[in-house]
Amino acid sequence: AQSVSQHNHHVILSEAASLELGCNYSYGGTVNLFWYVQYPGQHLQLLLKYFSGDPLVKGIKGFEAEFIKSKFSFNLRKPSVQWSDTAEYFCAVNAPSYNTDKLIFGTGTRLQVFP
Amino acid sequence: EAQVTQNPRYLITVTGKKLTVTCSQNMNHEYMSWYRQDPGLGLRQIYYSMNVEVTDKGDVPEGYKVSRKEKRNFPLILESPSPNQTSLYFCASSLAPGRTYEQYFGPGTRLTVT
Repeated sequence: AQSVSQHNHHVILSEAASLELGCNYSYGGTVNLFWYVQYPGQHLQLLLKYFSGDPLVKGIKGFEAEFIKSKFSFNLRKPSVQWSDTAEYFCAVNAPSYNTDKLIFGTGTRLQVFP
Repeated sequence: EAQVTQNPRYLITVTGKKLTVTCSQNMNHEYMSWYRQDPGLGLRQIYYSMNVEVTDKGDVPEGYKVSRKEKRNFPLILESPSPNQTSLYFCASSLAPGRTYEQYFGPGTRLTVT
């Protein structure tokens, strides 16, 4: 069965620090990969996605992620965080061979950015 | 505005009292699903629907029912809620299943069962 691991449960940074959140998945076939963000009290919003092509994916708000197939990883990065990036971040995987849109989510990483 | 709406946003109820959480999308999406979010567990899929009158179980379907009589609506029914169903629920939709379209999420329904 597919699973997604997010190793950082809670990250605390100061503004302007660099961010990298880890995400590893377990599935041997073709996958689609996503990062969602959930700001306090709000619904999930898509940050970025990888379906195919360039493994370095750029998303909204200056976020990017790199798909490394050999490591089954899809880490999220941002060079300089802002206070407004305080949120919970979820990595998710979908296996298109299943012919459903079911997303398998990681347990999430809570990011707190202090001014 | 393209969106997924859920009602109610907050609900406190008692064990055994049947309730329905509505979900509606205005994007003509074929695929809809329900997730529950619990601390330390992330989001887990409850049920999904590939199209009208086509529904199937997700990973945690026990205690829930769904129906898909119209394309835009996908209500979640708890026939006899129990405290372990206290959670944050999200409805999601996408254009078509299995074709890697983005999923859009509703604002969430926070349910407390006492």
